[in-house]
Amino acid sequence: RKEVEQDPGPFNVPEGATVAFNCTYSNSASQSFFWYRQDCRKEPKLLMSVYSSGNEDGRFTAQLNRASQYISLLIRDSKLSDSATYLCVVNALGTPLVFGKGTRLSVIA
Amino acid sequence: DVKVTQSSRYLVKRTGEKVFLECVQDMDHENMFWYRQDPGLGLRLIYFSYDVKMKEKGDIPEGYSVSREKKERFSLILESASTNQTSMYLCASSPSGLDSSNQPQHFGDGTRLSIL
Repeated sequence: RKEVEQDPGPFNVPEGATVAFNCTYSNSASQSFFWYRQDCRKEPKLLMSVYSSGNEDGRFTAQLNRASQYISLLIRDSKLSDSATYLCVVNALGTPLVFGKGTRLSVIA
Repeated sequence: DVKVTQSSRYLVKRTGEKVFLECVQDMDHENMFWYRQDPGLGLRLIYFSYDVKMKEKGDIPEGYSVSREKKERFSLILESASTNQTSMYLCASSPSGLDSSNQPQHFGDGTRLSIL
């Protein structure tokens, strides 16, 4: 079983749409959770950490469900500039981060 | 801002050559990592280091070695380059601490390595 699984997409959505990505993880000892964004031919960059109570940063909302071992990312009012690959990342204490393969988003005018 | 610098953006080498990829970070981070990224396979961890002179194998260490002589520098070495090592190589660093598992990683720009 893969440690971190994401739907690869692509998700093609119109500008202004709301889009949600889910990610499941297999290690129940995971303690830290992140969403990274990677533009084409660029390095991954931290988008936001995911906290147990859920957290919001502008148009982006992250949720964590420990019981079901999944993380979600919601993007409201999508912009063309949101087009990228979104990587789900989890981490158990004392181990390196484990990256999902990413979900590709294309926002279309 | 954290700065992770990789020595080359693009590199072309020949089969059998010994290849060095250099990575330097300026934030005094204890932890450093080397990944490769290939289409459909995502990021795969090659080696990592939690301290100077210390190294740990990641998921795909075969054909690679690393060196961490100074805290700020983590080098990836392809002992005898092969065509299947053509890839995007990404270096990352993160701070350590009482709860190091909560620290995200910061990546360099990446090196696109082609082995001919």
